[in-house]
Order: sequence, then structure tokens, then C-alpha cells
Amino acid sequence: DTAVSQTPKYLVTQMGNDKSIKCEQNLGHDTMYWYKQDSKKFLKIMFSYNNKELIINETVPNRFSPKSPDKAHLNLHINSLELGDSAVYFCASSQDRRLAGRKETQYFGPGTRLLVL
Amino acid sequence: QQQVKQSPQSLIVQKGGISIINCAYENTAFDYFPWYQQFPGKGPALLIAIRPDVSEKKEGRFTISFNKSAKQFSLHIMDSQPGDSATYFCAASSDSARQLTFGSGTQLTVLP
Repeated sequence: DTAVSQTPKYLVTQMGNDKSIKCEQNLGHDTMYWYKQDSKKFLKIMFSYNNKELIINETVPNRFSPKSPDKAHLNLHINSLELGDSAVYFCASSQDRRLAGRKETQYFGPGTRLLVL
Repeated sequence: QQQVKQSPQSLIVQKGGISIINCAYENTAFDYFPWYQQFPGKGPALLIAIRPDVSEKKEGRFTISFNKSAKQFSLHIMDSQPGDSATYFCAASSDSARQLTFGSGTQLTVLP
């Protein structure tokens, strides 16, 4: 059973296109995240949702828009894709720290490899 | 501003050797320090974590050493194996931050 799943795994697209990445977790967690990992492996948080509410919105171009239809899903829509958006995007989930006691492990999905041509 | 500094960027160790990766943090409010392991093509996964009420935590061949006064913590991998070859990330978080702040990662290669 996959705990955190993402689709698609690979995404190759032209500059200027709009694309979406979907994420689902079956762990019953309250909090979900989107991270961007660049070619140097640096992990940068983009967004975090807690119970469908946006709680972290780092300095990310407004071309990126997260949407959380329910606690188990957090999708990422990207408008007008640029070359610099090429990266691996990871979804993750965790139990709310305030509720989890000491169980605040983040569980990552397998990543979506985005290549903008 | 990078709040968690990790070194080295890359590390090559012979099989059976000890791998040591270091991290330093600035925010004294941090109270949870996990290490994540990432294999090529996979997402990061929690390896081991420590809280500042202890100075060391050991799980199998993996040990975290924590120095609160120096604001530093490190990962030691004893008897390193080729299967340990991966990228390792230290991280830190606090109640108020509500997120993990990751270090820049260390690419470990264990030679057979």
C-alpha cells in the first residue's frame, strides 16, 4: 500500500504550458506539503496545508497554486511554465505536530520529475 | 537565510569505514532534529531523529550526536556499506515553525 502517491511520475512539457501534479496520502494525516528539489538536491518547501487550510506559503511565484479538495489530497497547478521550473517536486504528509505528540515524521511521495523544454 | 548548514556536500568512504555528516543550526527554538535518507529516484525517508534532551541516539549502525551549546548535531554511520550510498539531509523544526528546515544535503558514496 502506497502511503503518499503522486501522479504523474514524469512530466515533460513546453514553456508556457499549464500543468498539474496530483498527490494523495492514505495515512490519515492532517498536514500536507509541496517541496521543490533542484538539480543540486536542495529541498525547498513551497506550501503546506493543514486540514485543507494553507498554513505555509513560501516565496513562490503566483504561477504556482496549490489546491486541497480534502485532507487526503493536495494538488499543485503550475501556470505558464518556465525553464527554471524544471525540478523534482515532492509531496509529503505528516500528522499535525500539535496533535501528534512526538510523531511528526514527514512521509514523502516518490516525486514528479518535471522537465520544461 | 539558511538556518541549517550541512557539511560536507559530498563524502566518499570505503566499505567498513565511518561516515560522518555535520549540521549546525542558528534558531535556538528548534527542538526536533531528524535525518532523512534519499536514494536515487526516491523521496526522502526518515532515518533517525533526536530531541535536545539527550546528547546521543543510536539505532543500529546510525548514531546522532547532539551538542546543544554549540548548536551542532551530526550523523555517524558505523561500518558503512555500499547500500548506504544515498543523499542524507539533516533537518530541524520547532512548534512555532510548523515546518522542517532542511540542510543542503550530503551525497554519500560507499565504495565496495
